[in-house]
Amino acid sequence: DSGVTQTPKHLITATGQRVTLRCSPRSGDLSVYWYQQSLDQGLQFLIQYYNGEERAKGNILERFSAQQFPDLHSELNLSSLELGDSALYFCASSVTDRGQPQHFGDGTRLSIL
Amino acid sequence: AQKITQTQPGMFVQEKEAVTLDCTYDTSDQSYGLFWYKQPSSGEMIFLIYQGSYDEQNATEGRYSLNFQKARKSANLVISASQLGDSAMYFCAILPRGYQKVTFGTGTKLQVIP
Repeated sequence: DSGVTQTPKHLITATGQRVTLRCSPRSGDLSVYWYQQSLDQGLQFLIQYYNGEERAKGNILERFSAQQFPDLHSELNLSSLELGDSALYFCASSVTDRGQPQHFGDGTRLSIL
Repeated sequence: AQKITQTQPGMFVQEKEAVTLDCTYDTSDQSYGLFWYKQPSSGEMIFLIYQGSYDEQNATEGRYSLNFQKARKSANLVISASQLGDSAMYFCAILPRGYQKVTFGTGTKLQVIP
């Protein structure tokens, strides 16, 4: 158990819809990262937050947004969903904002029908 | 930009044998961290081992060790005494200091044969 909690574990929805994925980092970790893992793109970094502030952006689409709340949990919002957004979405956390190993949650499997 | 290359898409190993999973990297940064993660078929990503670029000794964690050759820019994972539960995808990753974006390789699928 990594200590990172992601909900829900599975999500099935339709094209054009909007979903919210939730992540609670390990106790004491201030940094949260979001990743997308798909068969064709591999594991892609989306975005990072540190203590409530956005720190780095990767290959995140404009239809996607995220935030980190004062209690340090984070949410990833995906809107206008397309079939290609079907993937495993991981949240990871680390103590600070650079250099440390990142501990991953179990992921949310998103399926778009 | 950083790049991780894992040239072995799939590997087989006999139970109780040792296996080496290859990882080479490319970075212009002098200070960086290298990581290995395991992803079983159930999907979760499990952190295995970390090596800092300035660490003088190769990292070890139980049955996992990292064969770090800085001049060759390689960070191979060695799993000793393979177990059936080691069957999984293994990802190598790099994070230069001062950056937040981790770059992952494409992974190696390891299958342990009884």
